[in-house]
Amino acid sequence: DVKVTQSSRYLVKRTGEKVFLECVQDMDHENMFWYRQDPGLGLRLIYFSYDVKMKEKGDIPEGYSVSREKKERFSLILESASTNQTSMYLCASSLPNRDSPLHFGNGTRLTVT
Amino acid sequence: QKEVEQNSGPLSVPEGAIASLNCTYSDRGSQSFFWYRQYSGKSPELIMFIYSNGDKEDGRFTAQLNKASQYVSLLIRDSQPSDSATYLCALSTGGSYIPTFGRGTSLIVHP
Repeated sequence: DVKVTQSSRYLVKRTGEKVFLECVQDMDHENMFWYRQDPGLGLRLIYFSYDVKMKEKGDIPEGYSVSREKKERFSLILESASTNQTSMYLCASSLPNRDSPLHFGNGTRLTVT
Repeated sequence: QKEVEQNSGPLSVPEGAIASLNCTYSDRGSQSFFWYRQYSGKSPELIMFIYSNGDKEDGRFTAQLNKASQYVSLLIRDSQPSDSATYLCALSTGGSYIPTFGRGTSLIVHP
């Protein structure tokens, strides 16, 4: 069965900390995504990666960076966490074609205090 | 700018009724359409996809696509309380691997 695993289900960090959110998929998918989801705002794309070491900015990349050193792993980095980055973070993966649906991880609920 | 519009709801239907969820889109180049279900506090999961005009049925779910009118619908027959969730519409175009999501419609099925 398809599996996308996010390293933490809940995370609490302090303002100014550097935060790493990890995502691993076992489906050999080329595409990986990081979204954040906030009430009333829907899913907003932070970053997209279509291959190892390749990335594209999404709609809201400010304050975030990503790393994809291996095909199965896509990391989201909050360089200096702020309270407005408190959110649900969702990782997803897909095959490299428009007909391929996204497979989501269970999500990480990040609280920045 | 691709846009996907969904009524945020909540849409409230009695148990056993048909729930009809609608989604309109602006990009005529859209080619693949997906419906995801998201329970509160959980991540989205795919329930249906459709590429061609017309209807596609899978159990109690039917997806309907009308490219000329630029809408896609999801019908849920014999709605159950366990169908209560937010339903996200998403689409892809030929030129991008990045899908565009609507903000979702909240469905409540009451006993």
